[in-house]
Amino acid sequence: NAGVTQTPKFQVLKTGQSMTLQCAQDMNHEYMSWYRQDPGMGLRLIHYSVGAGITDQGEVPNGYNVSRSTTEDFPLRLLSAAPSQTSVYFCASTSTSVSRAQYFGPGTRLLVL
Amino acid sequence: GENVEQHPSTLSVQEGDSAVIKCTYSDSASNYFPWYKQELGKGPQLIIDIRSNVGEKKDQRIAVTLNKTAKHFSLHITETQPEDSAVYFCAASVHTGNQFYFGTGTSLTVIP
Repeated sequence: NAGVTQTPKFQVLKTGQSMTLQCAQDMNHEYMSWYRQDPGMGLRLIHYSVGAGITDQGEVPNGYNVSRSTTEDFPLRLLSAAPSQTSVYFCASTSTSVSRAQYFGPGTRLLVL
Repeated sequence: GENVEQHPSTLSVQEGDSAVIKCTYSDSASNYFPWYKQELGKGPQLIIDIRSNVGEKKDQRIAVTLNKTAKHFSLHITETQPEDSAVYFCAASVHTGNQFYFGTGTSLTVIP
C-alpha cells in the first residue's frame, strides 16, 4: 500500500512551458485535492475532485487544469508556466468514511524561471 | 469562504515543556478540525483531529480542544521531545465538503 505518490519530485521549467504533475493513490478514496504551499501562506487549495469525472475549483485555480478519469489518478496540468507558479505542490486524498483523514503525497517542488 | 488564522508562527520550547498552538476560524458551518505535522521535505501528516460535537480529544502526549462559541481550537503537546520539532498546521472543513482551509503554520523547535 503505497498511499499517495507524486512525480516528479523536482522540476525546473521556463516561462511559457507546460507540464503535468502526476498524482496517484491506492486507497480507493473518492476525494482528491491539489494544494500549493508557499512560505508564510500555508496550503492553498487549487482544484479538487469528489470522484471520477467530477472536478471543481479551489481558492487558487487560475493557470491550472485537472481531470479525473479514474479513481486512482488526479493529474495537475500547468498550461503556460509563470514564475508565480514556483511553489511546492501537494496532492492529497481523503477518506470518505467517518474518519475523514486526509493523506498527503511527498510533494513536487517546481521552479519556473 | 472560511478563514483560518494560526498563532504563533514560530515557537521554541525546552525539552519536556508543553507547547500550545492556537487557531481561529470564521465559518460557523465548519465542523471538522484536523491538525497536521510536516517534517522538512515531506508532506503534511495527520496527527489528531476533532469534530464539532466534541470539546476535547487526547492521544498520548497530544490533545486538541475546541470552543465552538468562540470559534477557536488549540493543539497541546506535553512533555515535548526533539522529534516533535516540525511545522504544524491546523485546518477547518465542513463535513459534507472536501475543502480544507489551512492555517499558515507554526514552526515548533524543541531545544534539547
